[in-house]
Amino acid sequence: QVQLVQSGSELRKPGASVKVSCKASGYTFTHYPINWVRQAPGQGLEWMGWINTHTGNPTYAQDFTGRFVFSLDTSLSTAYLEINSLKAEDTAIYYCARQAVGLLFDYWGRGTLVTVSS
Amino acid sequence: QSVLTQPPSASGAPGQRVTISCSGSSSSIGSSYVYWYQQLPGTAPKLLLYKNDQRPSGVPDRFSGSKSGTSASLAISGLRSEDEADYYCVAWDDSLSGSWVFGGGTKLTVL
Repeated sequence: QVQLVQSGSELRKPGASVKVSCKASGYTFTHYPINWVRQAPGQGLEWMGWINTHTGNPTYAQDFTGRFVFSLDTSLSTAYLEINSLKAEDTAIYYCARQAVGLLFDYWGRGTLVTVSS
Repeated sequence: QSVLTQPPSASGAPGQRVTISCSGSSSSIGSSYVYWYQQLPGTAPKLLLYKNDQRPSGVPDRFSGSKSGTSASLAISGLRSEDEADYYCVAWDDSLSGSWVFGGGTKLTVL
């Protein structure tokens, strides 16, 4: 069965970096793009962008350029989200989601809580 | 402020029918399929409807969707307590460099 398993919660200080992982199983990793979605505490969902798991080419939504980096390790069927120069407002749950043609985001990870606090 | 506008809350008694609206523009809903997600408390979103009105396997037919022009709606009939959740609409927005946009979400309370 399709699964996206994300890494555990992280606590970082402002200015630090964090790398969240999303390990896929149950399907051919390179056949489906991976998207990243942010949910700040008590807020709605925000699309951050996606990464082509075949080419490794990332696409970032307008509000997520510069400090956010999508990457892959296809040998591990794993996608990564790295956030640099962390700010308090980056505190959120970050979800990875598989994108299927016609279905949009059909499978989601359970989310990774990133807390930025001094 | 979200590109897609949803009412922040909705409610209904068990067994009733509720409708949740999602309003966009010609560059979003007007030119894109609409997708709906259900997010139960403390869990990841789950695909509820795709391509405006299609249900993935396992989603009860109590859930239905429609789209007209630049608006879409989700209807839930025969409300059950387990339907209490946040509901989000999503569409592609062609403006700027293009992006998937979410509605702000609607919290459904089953009275």
